[in-house]
Amino acid sequence: ETGVTQTPRHLVMGMTNKKSLKCEQHLGHNAMYWYKQSAKKPLELMFVYSLEERVENNSVPSRFSPECPNSSHLFLHLHTLQPEDSALYLCASSQAAGPYNEQFFGPGTRLTVL
Amino acid sequence: KNQVEQSPQSLIILEGKNCTLQCNYTVSPFSNLRWYKQDTGRGPVSLTIMTFSENTKSNGRYTATLDADTKQSSLHITASQLSDSASYICVVSETGGSYIPTFGRGTSLIVHP
Repeated sequence: ETGVTQTPRHLVMGMTNKKSLKCEQHLGHNAMYWYKQSAKKPLELMFVYSLEERVENNSVPSRFSPECPNSSHLFLHLHTLQPEDSALYLCASSQAAGPYNEQFFGPGTRLTVL
Repeated sequence: KNQVEQSPQSLIILEGKNCTLQCNYTVSPFSNLRWYKQDTGRGPVSLTIMTFSENTKSNGRYTATLDADTKQSSLHITASQLSDSASYICVVSETGGSYIPTFGRGTSLIVHP
């Protein structure tokens, strides 16, 4: 499989549930990102990992917990979410972290919090 | 505060027609500007990247322009096709080590046959 893959593609969860989103990149990149895309709002960068080290946390609430076990995999652990957290969560990767590196996006996970 | 404003918010055109999307930004100090295309249900895909010294860059039927003095960019689509129906997002990055670019809300383009 090529590019950036994300699972699941759709997720419905209650506010008391714990779930995880998974992202895998097959491009040999060293940087990975989590984004949130809400309706009618710009894409919001949540986290940046470079060589498995978190280099940016864009003021994200602690109910979102990222994990990067290696340069090919990125997880977003979710717990006690709110309905306003319902959104499309996009994962991306790039050769290196930084503004000049093209980011390649996965298809996203559509999350609904009830 | 860094901002990226895109216009129009949405646009409907007939297949074969040309169109131009606008992007105004206040990001400073400027590093680069990217245009992304996002199909429904898919992640964004980069169309072009422009740095300070570049005025025009083409990618097939897509041509981006940049005026760094007025902080404006445009994306011109020539001879539109049904597959051009998508959201087009302008993203501006700053220099200085920040990993956080500034995203526009996007322009939703619908091409009708």
